[in-house]
Amino acid sequence: DVKVTQSSRYLVKRTGEKVFLECVQDMDHENMFWYRQDPGLGLRLIYFSYDVKMKEKGDIPEGYSVSREKKERFSLILESASTNQTSMYLCASSSLLQGGTEAFFGQGTRLTVV
Amino acid sequence: KNEVEQSPQNLTAQEGEFITINCSYSVGISALHWLQQHPGGGIVSLFMLSSGKKKHGRLIATINIQEKHSSLHITASHPRDSAVYICAAPMYSGGGADGLTFGKGTHLIIQP
Repeated sequence: DVKVTQSSRYLVKRTGEKVFLECVQDMDHENMFWYRQDPGLGLRLIYFSYDVKMKEKGDIPEGYSVSREKKERFSLILESASTNQTSMYLCASSSLLQGGTEAFFGQGTRLTVV
Repeated sequence: KNEVEQSPQNLTAQEGEFITINCSYSVGISALHWLQQHPGGGIVSLFMLSSGKKKHGRLIATINIQEKHSSLHITASHPRDSAVYICAAPMYSGGGADGLTFGKGTHLIIQP
């Protein structure tokens, strides 16, 4: 019962390439998130979206953009990939429940920029 | 903005031992998450809890909202419990609709 799906598990891209990371959720959630995970730094929020065509910057948005044209799909875009964007990228979606939000995570995309 | 601290960072134990991982946070919240990540794998949500205690199999999570502290316990630990356990709280006070902030994780190894 896969709920949040990321399009790739592993990606290798060259410096300067435009990179698209795709995320799809099947739970009709309003909120979707992109995080990156780095050793010693943990998970950090890049961007999030609370509705179609809406987006908000997280802690580390520089070098990234996002697109949410449909409710179920949230794309992370690296306009010109750089080696310091080599990381594990995790997508999440959440629903607002009484008492808090329940979060679901994708399986992660390990991106290497060479 | 919430700050989440987790301890210990690394924990190695023998099979069968009782395991405790601690988490503290700085901003009052309505719910806290415990997550599990296996090597090379995605993240699985174990618990979302807003008060008291929750139990799922051999895993137990407790939270004290007043003290801003939560613990994750594993009873009768097994090598398959080896993973990174991550505590996460809403980035700002409230429910977390604007994202979560995460502890650095506890790398747990259970030896047979």
